[in-house]
Amino acid sequence: QKEVEQDPGPLSVPEGAIVSLNCTYSNSAFQYFMWYRQYSRKGPELLMYTYSSGNKEDGRFTAQVDKSSKYISLFIRDSQPSDSATYLCAIRETGGFKTIFGAGTRLFVKA
Amino acid sequence: EAGVAQSPRYKIIEKRQSVAFWCNPISGHATLYWYQQILGQGPKLLIQFQNNGVVDDSQLPKDRFSAERLKGVDSTLKIQPAKLEDSAVYLCASSSLPSGGSTTDTQYFGPGTRLTVL
Repeated sequence: QKEVEQDPGPLSVPEGAIVSLNCTYSNSAFQYFMWYRQYSRKGPELLMYTYSSGNKEDGRFTAQVDKSSKYISLFIRDSQPSDSATYLCAIRETGGFKTIFGAGTRLFVKA
Repeated sequence: EAGVAQSPRYKIIEKRQSVAFWCNPISGHATLYWYQQILGQGPKLLIQFQNNGVVDDSQLPKDRFSAERLKGVDSTLKIQPAKLEDSAVYLCASSSLPSGGSTTDTQYFGPGTRLTVL
């Protein structure tokens, strides 16, 4: 079983839609949860991170963590064509050295 | 603040040849990472340095891959000899906090080097 599972998509939505991106993880020792965005031919950039269950909001983006289910989500409201990218979830143990990335979900937002 | 610089951006080689990639992290960042990202997959950590010491190289194929971080600043990653399955994007990232800290550290990624092995 992979430590982080993420549906690779692609996911295609119309402009203005609410997007839901999800990951599951296997090890309850993972305490830090991150979402990275990667545009084509660019390196990933950190969007959001959280280390507790519940929701964290930043503009149009909301990160949600459910530690009891080992399930993390990223919601994008009012999606824009500029949101078209690959979204990578990433997890890390408390005091750990290594960040483990999911495979990434490709998102296309159509104008 | 200048970002993470990598060169070259693209490289095409024949199998069994050797290749080297260079990374210049953000000034003052103690921790430097090399990742391999195969098409359709997430980045996989190859090696992590803190200053010029190796923190984690458990996933580095040491029979063919080597890396060094000179004077705790720039780093090079070398593959010798290359195999077809080494075709990937090699990403360098840096962060300011020491690894294993009590809080998450933001990793800043460079644009990557796209390697094609024929």
